[in-house]
Amino acid sequence: DQQVKQNSPSLSVQEGRISILNCDYTNSMFDYFLWYKKYPAEGPTFLISISSIKDKNEDGRFTVFLNKSAKHLSLHIVPSQPGDSAVYFCAARAAGNKLTFGGGTRVLVKP
Amino acid sequence: GAVVSQHPSWVICKSGTSVKIECRSLDFQATTMFWYRQFPKQSLMLMATSNEGSKATYEQGVEKDKFLINHASLTLSTLTVTSAHPEDSSFYICSARDNRGGSSPLHFGNGTRLTVT
Repeated sequence: DQQVKQNSPSLSVQEGRISILNCDYTNSMFDYFLWYKKYPAEGPTFLISISSIKDKNEDGRFTVFLNKSAKHLSLHIVPSQPGDSAVYFCAARAAGNKLTFGGGTRVLVKP
Repeated sequence: GAVVSQHPSWVICKSGTSVKIECRSLDFQATTMFWYRQFPKQSLMLMATSNEGSKATYEQGVEKDKFLINHASLTLSTLTVTSAHPEDSSFYICSARDNRGGSSPLHFGNGTRLTVT
C-alpha cells in the first residue's frame, strides 16, 4: 500500500514557466513533508519542507503548498530553469524520523 | 558541501561474496541513520533504521541476517550485504539527521551502486 504517491511520473516545461509537482498521501499521522531533488547516481538533495500545521512555505523559487484536508501537497518552481531538470521526490515523515517517499516525478526543463 | 559521505560510490562483486558500505556524517553527530534502497525507476524504500550503540530496526520484508547493520559510533554506520546475489543489485543510500534536531531535514549520502554478477 503506497502511502505517498506522485501520480505524474514525468513533467516537461519550458524554461521560465512554472513547474507544478503534485503529491498525495494517505497516512494522517504524517506531520512533516519534504521535497527532494535527485540526479542519477546521486543521493537526494533536500529542497524545501513544510510542517503539517502550515499550508504554505516559500523559499526563493520554490513554494510548497499543503492541503491537509485533501491530503495533498504540491511543489511550485517558478521560474523553471534548465538546471532544475531532475527527479523530484515527495517525502512524508511519521514518528521516528522515518521518511516515506513517493515514486518521483522526472522534470525536464526545456531551454 | 556534502554532510553525509557514503563509500564506495559503486562496487561490483561476485555472487556469494559480501560487500560493506560505509555511511559517515561529516560535521555532525547522528544517533540514528537510515538505509534506503532504490531499484531502477522506483522510489527509495526504507530498509532499516540504524541506532548507535544498539540493534538496527528493520522494515518488514528486509532480512536482517542478509543486511547487517553496525552503528558503532555517532558518525559511522555500515551496511554489509552478505552472500550477495544478483537480485541484491541496487542503489543503496544512507541518510542521517543532525542530533541537534530542530527541523533539520535528513541529509543523504551520494549512494552506492551495487552490481552483483
